[in-house]
Amino acid sequence: AQSVTQLDSQVPVFEEAPVELRCNYSSSVSVYLFWYVQYPNQGLQLLLKYLSGSTLVESINGFEAEFNKSQTSFHLRKPSVHISDTAEYFCAVTEDTGRRALTFGSGTRLQVQP
Amino acid sequence: ETGVTQSPTHLIKTRGQQVTLRCSSQSGHNTVSWYQQALGQGPQFIFQYYREEENGRGNFPPRFSGLQFPNYSSELNVNALELDDSALYLCASSLPVGANVLTFGAGSRLTVL
Repeated sequence: AQSVTQLDSQVPVFEEAPVELRCNYSSSVSVYLFWYVQYPNQGLQLLLKYLSGSTLVESINGFEAEFNKSQTSFHLRKPSVHISDTAEYFCAVTEDTGRRALTFGSGTRLQVQP
Repeated sequence: ETGVTQSPTHLIKTRGQQVTLRCSSQSGHNTVSWYQQALGQGPQFIFQYYREEENGRGNFPPRFSGLQFPNYSSELNVNALELDDSALYLCASSLPVGANVLTFGAGSRLTVL
């Protein structure tokens, strides 16, 4: 069975500072990895995904994540955050078996302060 | 291209009642999944439908059931509501082949009193 651990429930950071949100997963087979963002009172929006190929993936709004198979991690980073990045971030994994059931972590609340 | 739409957005029920939540998938998507997100937690997989049949189920009791219609829209039904069923219910649609990329709706927030 697969599982996801997000090590930090809350990450407070000042505007324009760098940030890293940590995600570790457990699975016995090949996986696909995702980061989703959830703004207050909204559903989930896909931020970025790792399916295959380059282990470094980027989003259109400056976030990036690196798939590290040996450490079973998929940490999310941004070199300079904005107030508008304040949201809940969820890491998710699904096994490369054809099913599309995602297993989510418990989420990390990113709070960007001015 | 329309996204995933869910209704109702909010509803309040009492313990023991039954509820039906509805979802219209994104244009071109024929697979629908449902997730339960309790307050302060990550979403948990309930089940998935493809070609009007259940195609995978998470660790939820039989009182959680669903339907998918020929136009790929879907319903989630919950019988004998319990207080712990209070949550945000998220619907997601996807293509049947290729990468496992889900498009989520904004959710239906259910409160059970």
